[in-house]
Amino acid sequence: SAVISQKPSRDICQRGTSLTIQCQVDSQVTMMFWYRQQPGQSLTLIATANQGSEATYESGFVIDKFPISRPNLTFSTLTVSNMSPEDSSIYLCSVRLQGLGEAFFGQGTRLTVV
Amino acid sequence: AQTVTQSQPEMSVQEAETVTLSCTYDTSENNYYLFWYKQPPSRQMILVIRQEAYKQQNATENRFSVNFQKAAKSFSLKISDSQLGDTAMYFCAFMNDYKLSFGAGTTVTVRA
Repeated sequence: SAVISQKPSRDICQRGTSLTIQCQVDSQVTMMFWYRQQPGQSLTLIATANQGSEATYESGFVIDKFPISRPNLTFSTLTVSNMSPEDSSIYLCSVRLQGLGEAFFGQGTRLTVV
Repeated sequence: AQTVTQSQPEMSVQEAETVTLSCTYDTSENNYYLFWYKQPPSRQMILVIRQEAYKQQNATENRFSVNFQKAAKSFSLKISDSQLGDTAMYFCAFMNDYKLSFGAGTTVTVRA
């Protein structure tokens, strides 16, 4: 298994500002994933963060709004830029260990934009 | 893109009873994984059970078991001897290659 630490666990932000969420894993992983979970909804994949290359974004998500860094095999950040109330969601970091099918998740960051 | 459908938004079960959650999916792939994740109010996503598509035998994990019907593309979860700690949102998920697709979720409430 993998232990994933995500920071901050929650934050309340003013519209127009940006928030950077950190994800730290206790082992080296090739792929890290960022998900968004809007209130009462399921999880939607934002992007796949690959070490040494640019992140791969899903349809509906763009790098200018959700820039991602992946400086090494154990760490990634997701920034939510120029926030609006519609960005209020839970953001989750996830990894998949090589050889295992399942994904492991951080505890999530609950973001409220006011 | 894969589609995962959970048709039951909410389920309620008496403590010690059994509840079954339904899940169907749509794919043209032959090799894939299926999962059930649990998300309690703490927000932490917890893996409940996994099933490899090439395995005919249904997965079992203590009080949790699945009924995997590959031809019907169905993957239901049975929770036996329900406990108050089972109260959570349950998500069915499909993985092919490396991406996970989630269903809409089913909220399970266990009554004392």
